[in-house]
Amino acid sequence: AQTVTQSQPEMSVQEAETVTLSCTYDTSESDYYLFWYKQPPSRQMILVIRQEAYKQQNATENRFSVNFQKAAKSFSLKISDSQLGDAAMYFCAYMASNTGKLIFGQGTTLQVKP
Amino acid sequence: ETGVTQTPRHLVMGMTNKKSLKCEQHLGHNAMYWYKQSAKKPLELMFVYNFKEQTENNSVPSRFSPECPNSSHLFLHLHTLQPEDSALYLCASSQGGGSSYNEQFFGPGTRLTVL
Repeated sequence: AQTVTQSQPEMSVQEAETVTLSCTYDTSESDYYLFWYKQPPSRQMILVIRQEAYKQQNATENRFSVNFQKAAKSFSLKISDSQLGDAAMYFCAYMASNTGKLIFGQGTTLQVKP
Repeated sequence: ETGVTQTPRHLVMGMTNKKSLKCEQHLGHNAMYWYKQSAKKPLELMFVYNFKEQTENNSVPSRFSPECPNSSHLFLHLHTLQPEDSALYLCASSQGGGSSYNEQFFGPGTRLTVL
């Protein structure tokens, strides 16, 4: 069975600094997708970034980038130039291709200090 | 209204009550999902509907009964719940489902408290 593990329940970062959130996963599939979702206090889950497993290039979306290490089954999220609005719970998620089923990690609460 | 909406946003019910959660998507999607988010646990997929047909039931107890009358609406009927069912229930939708990756858009959730 596939699993997703986020080992950091809480993280904090100073405004304008960079922070990295960790995620590892376990799967025997070769074709899958990985995601980072953000859930701010308003509770609306928002997709931050996604990575296709077959792509070697790490995905980037403005200040958000990932470090995808397929062999190590690691998928970390780097937030650069952190802003107060980045404060939220961040979830790493996995989806095997052709399933539509998202499997989430436990989440990491990110605090941004002014 | 745009995106995915859920009503009510908050619900308190007794264990003998019957209530329903409603989800509506305005994105023209064909797949809809129910997730349960409990404190200190990862989000758990409950049900998946593709083109109004249930394609996934993740071993959910029968006291939770989903209904998908059309591709835009999804309900979760609740009866004889237990206090441990208290959680945030999230609805999501995507363009088609199961055949390839399609981004899931989430609603704001219903905070359910079972007394």
